[in-house]
Amino acid sequence: DAKTTQPNSMESNEEEPVHLPCNHSTISGTDYIHWYRQLPSQGPEYVIHGLTSNVNNRMASLAIAEDRKSSTLILHRATLRDAAVYYCIPSRQGGKLIFGQGTELSVKP
Amino acid sequence: GAVVSQHPSRVICKSGTSVKIECRSLDFQATTMFWYRQFPKQSLMLMATSNEGSKATYEQGVEKDKFLINHASLTLSTLTVTSAHPEDSSFYICSAIARALSLTGGYTFGSGTRLTVV
Repeated sequence: DAKTTQPNSMESNEEEPVHLPCNHSTISGTDYIHWYRQLPSQGPEYVIHGLTSNVNNRMASLAIAEDRKSSTLILHRATLRDAAVYYCIPSRQGGKLIFGQGTELSVKP
Repeated sequence: GAVVSQHPSRVICKSGTSVKIECRSLDFQATTMFWYRQFPKQSLMLMATSNEGSKATYEQGVEKDKFLINHASLTLSTLTVTSAHPEDSSFYICSAIARALSLTGGYTFGSGTRLTVV
């Protein structure tokens, strides 16, 4: 399982962009990079995932480094509802998702 | 989209009794389901992986006789905590993979079960 390194916590102001980094230097060539977030006392919620190319969806963008050893989750305009713990998880398609410690994002009004 | 229903959301039981938690995929067939536990202020810890019709694979350090997992159909997996003790109090979460991987990368999580053993 690839090891990940994420900041323990980050702060953002409402309406501003947020860049959440993740290092996954031991990622396998077939691993997808998944991002999930979790609110207190809830199950994780899917945010985005990608393999090599940058990805966009209605929630966020995922920028993947060319060597795939790191990635950045981009929330274009943070809202109070985006305050959560964000997890970056490399995993092969259909494989186990092993959660690291994640980044706790707080959003200030 | 893919929905996983987990029941109950909260349960309180007496020490020494057993508790069953259900995880259902409502609108898709789940070839594989995962069970996690999460202690306060900690990350999710994978307990086991279950495939429909076969025995679950437990992660190292997880007691298979204590945490019984049954995945009898493509839409239902159950976790039974046997002879529960206060240290088993935790937040249990299931996840399911769709047979056909969806736009969400295939993984959908339940909303979790808060188990309190008194």
